[in-house]
Amino acid sequence: DAKTTQPPSMDCAEGRAANLPCNHSTISGNEYVYWYRQIHSQGPQYIIHGLKNNETNEMASLIITEDRKSSTLILPHATLRDTAVYYCIVRAGTASKLTFGTGTRLQVTL
Amino acid sequence: ETGVTQTPRHLVMGMTNKKSLKCEQHLGHNAMYWYKQSAKKPLELMFVYNFKEQTENNSVPSRFSPECPNSSHLFLHLHTLQPEDSALYLCASRRTGGEGETQYFGPGTRLLVL
Repeated sequence: DAKTTQPPSMDCAEGRAANLPCNHSTISGNEYVYWYRQIHSQGPQYIIHGLKNNETNEMASLIITEDRKSSTLILPHATLRDTAVYYCIVRAGTASKLTFGTGTRLQVTL
Repeated sequence: ETGVTQTPRHLVMGMTNKKSLKCEQHLGHNAMYWYKQSAKKPLELMFVYNFKEQTENNSVPSRFSPECPNSSHLFLHLHTLQPEDSALYLCASRRTGGEGETQYFGPGTRLLVL
């Protein structure tokens, strides 16, 4: 699986959009970009994933660059409950396992 | 609520005890996983089961013994653990056979070995 690079931490004011970047410059053509988050001491929560096109669901939007070497997870209106560690993971579509890195610790403040 | 449940949520055990962690998924998935998350460290994959068959053992010590009696249930049997085995143990499940199928995690069991 391709390696990802994320900033270790970010801050965001409540109500503002949180934009979390991820670099995956060695991504292969059959590899998807997945985003999970982990609120303190809980199991990771699936957020969204995509291959080439931008994706949106009720939680977030995923913007993937045209060359697929980077992506951005957007939480449109961050709340205090969005404070968590966010993981960007690249994995082949049929691969079995996920390899977690250290992620980005997002702190949402008043 | 992800459809993956784990019991117990918290466990304290001595190094000579034997205990078991249980995971159950209600999603109709056929692959199940055990992960370990030690303090300040990323999640580490321990075991993978597909259709009840173990397909991956990530060099896990034999004091951890997994069991998968069917596609909905997964156990992790623990015996003679060490204090450094204290961690959050996470179960996950996934439907295989399609592109991009994602894993869903349970809430975890917080284990403390004294």
